[in-house]
Amino acid sequence: DGGITQSPKYLFRKEGQNVTLSCEQNLNHDAMYWYRQDPGQGLRLIYYSQIVNDFQKGDIAEGYSVSREKKESFPLTVTSAQKNPTAFYLCASSIPAGVDGNTIYFGEGSWLTVV
Amino acid sequence: ILNVEQSPQSLHVQEGDSTNFTCSFPSSNFYALHWYRWETAKSPEALFVMTLNGDEKKKGRISATLNTKEGYSYLYIKGSQPEDSATYLCAFKRSGSARQLTFGSGTQLTVLP
Repeated sequence: DGGITQSPKYLFRKEGQNVTLSCEQNLNHDAMYWYRQDPGQGLRLIYYSQIVNDFQKGDIAEGYSVSREKKESFPLTVTSAQKNPTAFYLCASSIPAGVDGNTIYFGEGSWLTVV
Repeated sequence: ILNVEQSPQSLHVQEGDSTNFTCSFPSSNFYALHWYRWETAKSPEALFVMTLNGDEKKKGRISATLNTKEGYSYLYIKGSQPEDSATYLCAFKRSGSARQLTFGSGTQLTVLP
C-alpha cells in the first residue's frame, strides 16, 4: 500500500544529543514536509522540500536540519540547539500545488521526549 | 505568521446529534481551505479541499461551506456517530505562497453513545 512511514514512533533523547527522525514515502510525491505539534497548538511547519536536493525553512526551523537526497526520503535531525524539542512530529507529502488541491498526506507521527 | 482560528476547541455531543464548528482565516490572498480529520493513533486524513467562495462539499454525513470574503468555513456533521470522534483540523493556503498550509489548532469532537 502507498503511504508515508515514519520511524521511530517513540524516541527518548538525552539533552545535548542530536537525533534523526526518518520519513519515507512511496506515493511518488515531489513535495515533503515536517510539522511539529505541541499541546493546544496547530501543526507548525519546520521545513519543507518541493523537489529533490532543495528544501526551505518553515516557521520554526531553528534547531532543526533536513536533507532531501532522494525523492522518497526526507529525514529530520533535531539538534542540541533546539531548546524545547519534546513534541510530536508529523511528516507529510503532496503532489505539486494546483493539482489535487495540493492535499497533504500524513504519516502517523513520531513522539520525541528529551530526558 | 498567518492566524487560523478554530472554535470550539472541544465539543461533546450525544450520538445522533448534529453539530458544527468554525474555522476562521485571513480573508485576503485566499487560495484554498482544507479540512482534515485526525483520529487518535492514526494519520490525519483529508476531508475536503475548498477553493471557491460559496463552495459546499459533502462526504456522507459530513459537509463544509466556505466564505472567502469574510474568512470562515463551517464543518457540519449530521447525526453524529461515535466513529466521528476525532480532532478536525482546518488549514489555510495563501495565494502566491510556496510555504503551503497554515493549520488551526483543531476542534476535538467526542460523540457519546
